[in-house]
Amino acid sequence: SQQGEEDPQALSIQEGENATMNCSYKTSINNLQWYRQNSGRGLVHLILIRSNEREKHSGRLRVTLDTSKKSSSLLITASRAADTASYFCATEAAGNKLTFGGGTRVLVKP
Amino acid sequence: NAGVMQNPRHLVRRRGQEARLRCSPMKGHSHVYWYRQLPEEGLKFMVYLQKENIIDESGMPKERFSAEFPKEGPSILRIQQVVRGDSAAYFCASSPDSSSSYNEQFFGPGTRLTVL
Repeated sequence: SQQGEEDPQALSIQEGENATMNCSYKTSINNLQWYRQNSGRGLVHLILIRSNEREKHSGRLRVTLDTSKKSSSLLITASRAADTASYFCATEAAGNKLTFGGGTRVLVKP
Repeated sequence: NAGVMQNPRHLVRRRGQEARLRCSPMKGHSHVYWYRQLPEEGLKFMVYLQKENIIDESGMPKERFSAEFPKEGPSILRIQQVVRGDSAAYFCASSPDSSSSYNEQFFGPGTRLTVL
């Protein structure tokens, strides 16, 4: 399978609940980034975590990185209907190009 | 400061025609990346360019696809003799510098190509 696989592929939750999605990758990385994409739109950069960092917060987002397991998680706390989107992790190794996973489609029901 | 601009936003072509997709990076950014997204899939890297140079084209199909980033003007992704399988969303991203230890790429809104 490719670098940067998200799990689960789809997630349906009630507004106010937390949403957790995971990303696994195969090779060494410089950093890992999470993006959001609303249906039919471009990507919005959410957060970047470097390979020497273990956890990072931004508002209601919390990202962890475990380089020994080659995995990352994105937690969205107190979800809102506006959080409905697809979420992608992307890894950057040498050479600047980003390798994206297949995404997690999150539906937040009001 | 305007973000990454792409045009057109939607492009319809018949099989065998040429498609030209344009990308203007953010002001001050000298690095441009093109990605392709098929329906219900993640983005796939195509090519990485700096002004007048192709740095990495490992994701570009060997035939019909080409990209440039001239000294003046936008970056162009060109697809010759399009086929139905080329239908996808094509995203451009830009970044300011590759010498830092991390590289945040800013994405444009994409061009949705439909080949009839």
